[in-house]
Amino acid sequence: RKEVEQDPGPFNVPEGATVAFNCTYSNSASQSFFWYRQDCRKEPKLLMSVYSSGNEDGRFTAQLNRASQYISLLIRDSKLSDSATYLCVVNRPTSGTYKYIFGTGTRLKVLA
Amino acid sequence: EAQVTQNPRYLITVTGKKLTVTCSQNMNHEYMSWYRQDPGLGLRQIYYSMNVEVTDKGDVPEGYKVSRKEKRNFPLILESPSPNQTSLYFCASSDRPIRDTEAFFGQGTRLTVV
Repeated sequence: RKEVEQDPGPFNVPEGATVAFNCTYSNSASQSFFWYRQDCRKEPKLLMSVYSSGNEDGRFTAQLNRASQYISLLIRDSKLSDSATYLCVVNRPTSGTYKYIFGTGTRLKVLA
Repeated sequence: EAQVTQNPRYLITVTGKKLTVTCSQNMNHEYMSWYRQDPGLGLRQIYYSMNVEVTDKGDVPEGYKVSRKEKRNFPLILESPSPNQTSLYFCASSDRPIRDTEAFFGQGTRLTVV
């Protein structure tokens, strides 16, 4: 079982739709949580950090449930430009430092 | 402009021919790492470095070497590449501690070993 699990998709949604991605992590020592966006064959870029209180950035809302070890990302009013792969990332302590653990990503395609 | 620069972007090589992928960052970050990305497996860490002259193995270090002689540079060396090292490689850097900090990635190097 992978340490960070995501539904690979693809999620094909029409423009304007609301779409939600979920992610679970297995290591309870995980300390911080992120969503990264990766366009096809390009480098991952930080979309947003995820906090227990939930956080919002425009059309994007991220939630963390530490008890269930579950992270979510909600995208409202989807745009064509939102088409990408969304990586769930957790950061946990290891050998005196921290380490990013990446999910395999959820692919989103927004259709006109 | 803050960035991580990898070279080359694309490389096709033959089995056994030593190669180096360079990585340089201009953000004065202490922490740097190398990942490979394969379909269905996601990004896996190869090696990381917490500072100059301090490097350590990640999850998939076999067949790779790294060095960190200067803070800005973190080259990845494949002494004898094999076809199972065909992959998309990313270098990343971040401030230390990396607990809550953003990782910045290079543009990637697509390596094919034939």
